[in-house]
Amino acid sequence: GAGVSQSPSNKVTEKGKDVELRCDPISGHTALYWYRQSLGQGLEFLIYFQGNSAPDKSGLPSDRFSAERTGGSVSTLTIQRTQQEDSAVYLCASSSDTSSYNEQFFGPGTRLTVL
Amino acid sequence: KQEVTQIPAALSVPEGENLVLNCSFTDSAIYNLQWFRQDPGKGLTSLLLIQSSQREQTSGRLNASLDKSSGRSTLYIAASQPGDSATYLCAVRPNAGNNRKLIWGLGTSLAVNP
Repeated sequence: GAGVSQSPSNKVTEKGKDVELRCDPISGHTALYWYRQSLGQGLEFLIYFQGNSAPDKSGLPSDRFSAERTGGSVSTLTIQRTQQEDSAVYLCASSSDTSSYNEQFFGPGTRLTVL
Repeated sequence: KQEVTQIPAALSVPEGENLVLNCSFTDSAIYNLQWFRQDPGKGLTSLLLIQSSQREQTSGRLNASLDKSSGRSTLYIAASQPGDSATYLCAVRPNAGNNRKLIWGLGTSLAVNP
């Protein structure tokens, strides 16, 4: 596609429910990143994929958070047993390995609200 | 631990002014630095990327400089327009290895008044 797309754009859920957030990277981009932006805070790195493997999962805040990537393309971020502190905008980015700059291009984000 | 600071946190200027946004980082061993623009509900748009070996990059009315040794970058916006109103974010990539995560500042919220 022309850019990184994310779905849904907005998600409201009840505390304790599981949610899945989807990211479609730019076609051909091998690297994919998930970030979180909480109200009044800076962006926080969550996880990075190279192809289907995740060399860096250091930013996942707890074991309730997991992510996978299939076919070197679409990625899903899953949050189990959601808590109110999970409310944030979740941003996905992708980059190309053919460029030494590895410039990251971002999607519009998914705004998650946990009631 | 790398920390990124942006000042000012907010800025309001009349249309037509030239302005400078500042970004500082605590560890000078960076691979590159990116400036982004964030509009509400529209995610992030990459404006300029400066490699650690570069001193500046230019795109239209935007010019970003990098002084790695002092841990500083500035984003210069010439002849500001109301459409420039947005939050501007600075992010550094710490190293050239497999760790590609970006470390972010909190941003500068810019309002350009007609």
